[in-house]
Amino acid sequence: KAGVTQTPRYLIKTRGQQVTLSCSPISGHRSVSWYQQTPGQGLQFLFEYFSETQRNKGNFPGRFSGRQFSNSRSEMNVSTLELGDSALYLCASRSTSRETQYFGPGTRLLVL
Amino acid sequence: AQTVTQSQPEMSVQEAETVTLSCTYDTSENNYYLFWYKQPPSRQMILVIRQEAYKQQNATENRFSVNFQKAAKSFSLKISDSQLGDTAMYFCAFMSRGSGTYKYIFGTGTRLKVLA
Repeated sequence: KAGVTQTPRYLIKTRGQQVTLSCSPISGHRSVSWYQQTPGQGLQFLFEYFSETQRNKGNFPGRFSGRQFSNSRSEMNVSTLELGDSALYLCASRSTSRETQYFGPGTRLLVL
Repeated sequence: AQTVTQSQPEMSVQEAETVTLSCTYDTSENNYYLFWYKQPPSRQMILVIRQEAYKQQNATENRFSVNFQKAAKSFSLKISDSQLGDTAMYFCAFMSRGSGTYKYIFGTGTRLKVLA
């Protein structure tokens, strides 16, 4: 089975812009979670989607949003980018009723 | 609220030696799962080992084993016969399932360097 894929792998944006990141889960996995990874904060949970519904949400401002499509692919959007949004954004998928998450390679976002 | 603490930001070990990474957690729940993930430099995060809280037996995966002390809320990772490829950031993670949702909490990580 192919693993979790994320596109793009690298992005450079400027403050005030918006960005959309994409994640394709492992085939058959219906749960997709998003994390922000920074050197100082470690992995911070953003949100989880399951069957196109947001099931869980972390403590991030409303500028961070997401959605999931019927094929389980997920997108994450960040509007009005700030310098502090520079991070590695990781996507992880999980099979229904299984506990283990599998991570994608991440999208490294740099906000200038 | 659940928390996960990794008190060793950085560690190093000689090749072929054994090293133990520490992780403690705090929870009031009885059913949960614990994981160790490995993130090599500029590479993808991969699962190393997982432990179900209801199982008393410590999980083992080849050179990787855990020491799970439920009462002490401790979940350490032992790497035997360390190899250069073990150089990575290691994250301890806790997962609980409540109200139909899965909640994951990660520690801040331990950077392990294996020395030749």
